[in-house]
Parts: sequence; structure tokens; C-alpha cells
Amino acid sequence: NAGVTQTPKFQVLKTGQSMTLQCAQDMNHNSMYWYRQDPGMGLRLIYYSASEGTTDKGEVPNGYNVSRLNKREFSLRLESAAPSQTSVYFCASSLIRTDRELFFGEGSRLTVL
Amino acid sequence: DQQVKQNSPSLSVQEGRISILNCDYTNSMFDYFLWYKKYPAEGPTFLISISSIKDKNEDGRFTVFLNKSAKHLSLHIVPSQPGDSAVYFCAASAYNNNDMRFGAGTRLTVKP
Repeated sequence: NAGVTQTPKFQVLKTGQSMTLQCAQDMNHNSMYWYRQDPGMGLRLIYYSASEGTTDKGEVPNGYNVSRLNKREFSLRLESAAPSQTSVYFCASSLIRTDRELFFGEGSRLTVL
Repeated sequence: DQQVKQNSPSLSVQEGRISILNCDYTNSMFDYFLWYKKYPAEGPTFLISISSIKDKNEDGRFTVFLNKSAKHLSLHIVPSQPGDSAVYFCAASAYNNNDMRFGAGTRLTVKP
């Protein structure tokens, strides 16, 4: 049972390059989330998708776009990467939006030079 | 504006002793609190939670205490085991807004 799977695990980008982080869950969850974790700060919500076909901004959405491709997959795109986006990114899912328990992927470490 | 704060970045305890991890919050709308545990190179995993209608919740060696008047919660681990060594995140959310706010984490080291 894979749970939440993120790819890639590690990525190094140059400023201005674009990339997409992929996330897939196999738990038949309706809601999916993207968080970033930075030193000295808690996980902060970038975007979420309460259900297939919907996406909404979280606490720190600037510089990111998301796509809920289908019920299983939720991708995060950086159109023009900046050094401030160097972080560890976590994808998470929950059965429904109001379900407080989140299931996280292993994380993707992104470095922007 | 960090609405959830874990003021101790690290904690070291001896195996068999009690570990107490603390968390403070500022938003009085928060009504549900969770602790997540994170091992290196893994994602956070849910550990235990508490609703604001309770002041204590136990699950085996783990107990979470909530003091609403002080806007403070704590996680007690008794007895502590080396396998408990991890980063612990406190999280909180409000019923009318499920955006979960996380603290910065406390790294617990349990020494054999």
C-alpha cells in the first residue's frame, strides 16, 4: 500500500527554470494538499484541492500553480523558480476536506540556485 | 504570523523517562489539535489529536493535554523509547476553516 507518492525526491533548478512536482495517492481520498517546510517554520499550505475539479489557494500560493489531474493526482508547478522557493515540499491527502488527519508523502527537496 | 508555536527546537531525554513537548497557539478559533511525528526522509505521520471539548486524550504511551485558557497543549510520552526519536509537529485547525497551521517542530532525542 503506497499511500501518497511524490516525484521527484530531489531536484536542483536554476533561477527562472520551471518544473512540476507530481503527487499521487491510492487511498481514494477526495482532498489533496501541497505544503512547504522551511527551517524554523512549520509546514505552510500552498494550495489544496477539496475534491476533483476544484483547487484553492492556501497560506503561501504566490509563485505556484496546481492541477488536480484526476482524483488520484495533484501536481504543483513552479513556472519561474526563485531561490526563495528552495524548500522541502510535501503532498498530503485526506478523505474529505473537513477530515483533520492528513496523510503525507515522503517529501521533495527542491534547491533553486 | 505564526499562530502555532513550538518554542523548544530540541529536547533530549533518557530512555524510560517522560518526554514533554509543548505547543502554544494564538488563534482562539482553533478547535482541533493534532500531533504529527516525522522521521528523517519520511513524511509526517499522524500521532494523536484532541478536540477543544476535551482537556486530555490518551493513546497508549502518548497523552495530549489541552489548556484552552492558556492556549497551550502538550504531548507526554511515557515511557520514552529510542524509537520515539523524531521531529514532532504540533498542528491546529478551526472548524470553519480546515487550513491546518503547524508549529516549527521539536526534535526529540531519546538516549538509551
